[in-house]
Amino acid sequence: KNEVEQSPQNLTAQEGEFITINCSYSGGISALHWLQQHPGGGIVSLFMLSSGKKKHGRLIATINIQEKHSSLHITASHPRDSAVYICAVKTSGSRLTFGEGTQLTVNP
Amino acid sequence: DAGVTQSPTHLIKTRGQQVTLRCSPKSGHDTVSWYQQALGQGPQFIFQYYEEEERQRGNFPDRFSGHQFPNYSSELNVNALLLGDSALYLCASSPDRAGELFFGEGSRLTVL
Repeated sequence: KNEVEQSPQNLTAQEGEFITINCSYSGGISALHWLQQHPGGGIVSLFMLSSGKKKHGRLIATINIQEKHSSLHITASHPRDSAVYICAVKTSGSRLTFGEGTQLTVNP
Repeated sequence: DAGVTQSPTHLIKTRGQQVTLRCSPKSGHDTVSWYQQALGQGPQFIFQYYEEEERQRGNFPDRFSGHQFPNYSSELNVNALLLGDSALYLCASSPDRAGELFFGEGSRLTVL
């Protein structure tokens, strides 16, 4: 059974700061997802990773398969980045196991 | 492209009742997954439908059932509702079983 742990649970930053959210998992995976959830519930997929690094705008996601660890970085953070960021791993078939999420608040 | 649409967005039921939630996948997607998200927690996988059959199932009782139609839309049915079934129910579609997921806005169920 795969377990997914995220840290920190809550994170407050000032606008412009560099932010890192970490995700560790157990077991084998076929892919790892980083998701963003805004108040009200809608979830947006930010990245799907199986190796290496991906970048989209100010967001960067990395994964180390050997260490079973992934990080999501936000450069030049902005108040509109405030949301819950969720790490989820895909195991056999296409079942996703989710972390509990990291609540990010970016203050102006 | 309308993306993934879910209905209803909010609903209130009482214990013992039954509920049906609906999901229309993103155009071109044939795989639909359902998740339950309790307040303050991460989503939990309920089941996945592909080619009108349930392909994988999470740790949910038989009170939770589903269906996928030939147009790939899907329903989630919950019978004999309990207070603990109160949650946000999320639908996600993907172009295949391993593809990137696209989520709907969710259906928020409150059981009184």
